[in-house]
Amino acid sequence: DTGVSQNPRHKITKRGQNVTFRCDPISEHNRLYWYRQTLGQGPEFLTYFQNEAQLEKSRLLSDRFSAERPKGSFSTLEIQRTEQGDSAMYLCASSTQGLPNEQFFGPGTRLTVL
Amino acid sequence: EDQVTQSPEALRLQEGESSSLNCSYTVSGLRGLFWYRQDPGKGPEFLFTLYSAGEEKEKERLKATLTKKESFLHITAPKPEDSATYLCAVTPRDYKLSFGAGTTVTVRA
Repeated sequence: DTGVSQNPRHKITKRGQNVTFRCDPISEHNRLYWYRQTLGQGPEFLTYFQNEAQLEKSRLLSDRFSAERPKGSFSTLEIQRTEQGDSAMYLCASSTQGLPNEQFFGPGTRLTVL
Repeated sequence: EDQVTQSPEALRLQEGESSSLNCSYTVSGLRGLFWYRQDPGKGPEFLFTLYSAGEEKEKERLKATLTKKESFLHITAPKPEDSATYLCAVTPRDYKLSFGAGTTVTVRA
């Protein structure tokens, strides 16, 4: 299967701990996106990369959040000093550049902060 | 700021009972409107992209249409496997998607 993959699928952590999620995009896609989704809501844009460059960050992405995409391949999203309000599904998507092309989503990482 | 409103929030259908979902949007210069399907605990699955008013796309029992202010997703003769949350998203650029809250469709056999 050559779809978008995310690891881990589930993460339970205690408040104040740091967590890191990984996303592997579809191999020929140069754009990678992170979204956050809470129960009953649609995904909310967090940030995106074109190759290794992070081109936009939402105001939702506080200083405790950092994302990287070294070498323009996989990406990591780190949350430092987690809070209960960070509990959500974190979704990664990828696409090619150009037209508003469809973004293909991974299965997500479900974060629960106790 | 981009706004997307989907209605109804939930829709319960009998198998074979056709219906439509609505997506109303406000965006400064629509570049694309997207429909996704999401099953519980999974990531959204891409269905359609519409780029301009008057455009229509079909896939199996689903048909999406677009006007200047809204989009409709028509479900014809639905089956239980069509049960899911259907999400609408818009973009005025070619990267950031703004999603609605979705319509949860339940199809009873």
